[in-house]
Amino acid sequence: DTAVSQTPKYLVTQMGNDKSIKCEQNLGHDTMYWYKQDSKKFLKIMFSYNNKELIINETVPNRFSPKSPDKAHLNLHINSLELGDSAVYFCASSQVWLAGDNEQFFGPGTRLTVL
Amino acid sequence: KQEVTQIPAALSVPEGENLVLNCSFTDSAIYNLQWFRQDPGKGLTSLLLIQSSQREQTSGRLNASLDKSSGRSTLYIAASQPGDSATYLCAVRPVQSNYQLIWGAGTKLIIKP
Repeated sequence: DTAVSQTPKYLVTQMGNDKSIKCEQNLGHDTMYWYKQDSKKFLKIMFSYNNKELIINETVPNRFSPKSPDKAHLNLHINSLELGDSAVYFCASSQVWLAGDNEQFFGPGTRLTVL
Repeated sequence: KQEVTQIPAALSVPEGENLVLNCSFTDSAIYNLQWFRQDPGKGLTSLLLIQSSQREQTSGRLNASLDKSSGRSTLYIAASQPGDSATYLCAVRPVQSNYQLIWGAGTKLIIKP
């Protein structure tokens, strides 16, 4: 059973389109995250939700809108896609937020390519 | 501002060798440090998590050490196998902004049969 799953795995689309990436965790965790991994392999946090509430929004363009219908899901919708949005997007979850010993569990990633 | 550096960026060794991957961080005020493995198309797998109060953690052939005062961690892989080939990432959870992980760029490891 996959703990953190993302769909789709690969996404190729044209500039200007709107697309969504879905994430689900079956670990019973309270907190979920979205990360962007750029071409230099650094992961940068984009958003974090705790119990369906937005906790972190790290200077991400407002074309990116996360939605958490319930604790187990955190979806990422991107409007008006740009070339610079091409990256691998990772979803993650952790048991609770703001706990020092918090371990994060990651999904397989979604490779987004904008043409 | 916390920064994490991993050296070397890439490493290729023959199968069976023991090896060490390095991770350094600039601010010793951390809650924990985590080592991950990234396989293409398979996302990130957590290998070991070391709390700030701990010196090392072991899992099978992997041993991770933490020297918080000097801002260093090492991941030791014993008796390397081709299946160990992957990119290894370390990440720290800083006390100042403990809701996020600060990541290194990774070490790409290739184990030659």
